Amino acid sequence: GESVGLHLPTLSVQEGDNSIINCAYSNSASDYFIWYKQESGKGPQFIIDIRSNMDKRQGQRVTVLLNKTVKHLSLQIAATQPGDSAVYFCAENRVTGRRALTFGSGTRLQVQP
Amino acid sequence: DGGITQSPKYLFRKEGQNVTLSCEQNLNHDAMYWYRQDPGQGLRLIYYSQIVNDFQKGDIAEGYSVSREKKESFPLTVTSAQKNPTAFYLCASSIGQISSPYEAFFGQGTRLTVV
Repeated sequence: GESVGLHLPTLSVQEGDNSIINCAYSNSASDYFIWYKQESGKGPQFIIDIRSNMDKRQGQRVTVLLNKTVKHLSLQIAATQPGDSAVYFCAENRVTGRRALTFGSGTRLQVQP
Repeated sequence: DGGITQSPKYLFRKEGQNVTLSCEQNLNHDAMYWYRQDPGQGLRLIYYSQIVNDFQKGDIAEGYSVSREKKESFPLTVTSAQKNPTAFYLCASSIGQISSPYEAFFGQGTRLTVV
């Protein structure tokens, strides 16, 4: 079935470097995407979202890029900090059909001091 | 403070017993969701409800049941028919249809262990 997936299961970066986490989606009907951060033993926390009529959105230290042509989503974290260490999920919602988020399998970000 | 409360945080049950996980929200959200998360994996949708007294099956509804008698409450029962119930269960809510700017907010989860 159609799903959201991620390219890299684990990403290790040095503190202060920029991080890029990627996500592929297969449903062209998806119109809304969210990035969540999940720390161990906790529920996911909203980071940033983007609608399908946009290709870039910036937040504080984070940027989400959407490439609808290749159905690709990325999360960029600037000046990565130890507190950014977590698992990151992308999730999609669709205009039609089920009205609930579909999640990818996640990428673990490890920030080395 | 407004938010989503899941209880208990940890739950142990014997195999073959039904168990009910609580989820309460005071955000006045119409929609509520239950997800299951297994170690090292993403979230899979069990059930969701867009409005009181109505709910829909997600991808892995077998062995689970829900009710939505009140707007603020969406309890999940893990029945003995669920073959592998040990997992981390997450409840979420949203204003309604999830679309910008209405994301889903998550509780802190209940870790269920069946022994």
